[in-house]
Amino acid sequence: RKEVEQDPGPFNVPEGATVAFNCTYSNSASQSFFWYRQDCRKEPKLLMSVYSSGNEDGRFTAQLNRASQYISLLIRDSKLSDSATYLCVEGEGNTPLVFGKGTRLSVIA
Amino acid sequence: NAGVTQTPKFRVLKTGQSMTLLCAQDMNHEYMYWYRQDPGMGLRLIHYSVGEGTTAKGEVPDGYNVSRLKKQNFLLGLESAAPSQTSVYFCASSYSTGNQPQHFGDGTRLSIL
Repeated sequence: RKEVEQDPGPFNVPEGATVAFNCTYSNSASQSFFWYRQDCRKEPKLLMSVYSSGNEDGRFTAQLNRASQYISLLIRDSKLSDSATYLCVEGEGNTPLVFGKGTRLSVIA
Repeated sequence: NAGVTQTPKFRVLKTGQSMTLLCAQDMNHEYMYWYRQDPGMGLRLIHYSVGEGTTAKGEVPDGYNVSRLKKQNFLLGLESAAPSQTSVYFCASSYSTGNQPQHFGDGTRLSIL
């Protein structure tokens, strides 16, 4: 059974801090990876895709390590509005995406 | 841009009642999904569809039925509601399965008394 493992947290960090989340996936054939953000009592929303070469979107950087089968998300200069649960997601071929249970982040003033 | 729309947003049922949750998407996506999310459990896939007229079981299909008569709509049915089905239900859609991100509706909060 495919699984995505994440530290549930919570990660409590002050505003302006840099925080990193990792997640590991079990399916070595996985081809696509994503990070989603889910606010309390809201639907998951796509934050960013994760490419083999790594990618950056403003304060957010995603990295993929295929050899060790893990994905990372780095958030720089944390804002109060970054407080949410971050879901790690992997996908392969014609099967539905596999979602991790999420890592909860709380940014404190 | 409507995206993925779920109706109703909230519903309270009595044990044994039946109901249908409707999901509609206007992005011309082939694939649609129904999830449930319980506190501390993450998203669990109930059923999904890879195209009009097709359905497939997910991780937790028991107690639910689905239909995809039109490409833009995916219905989730509870034939005889049980308290264990109290949850938040999310519908999602995507262009394909494992290679494309899914786009979610804003959820249906269902309580079974």
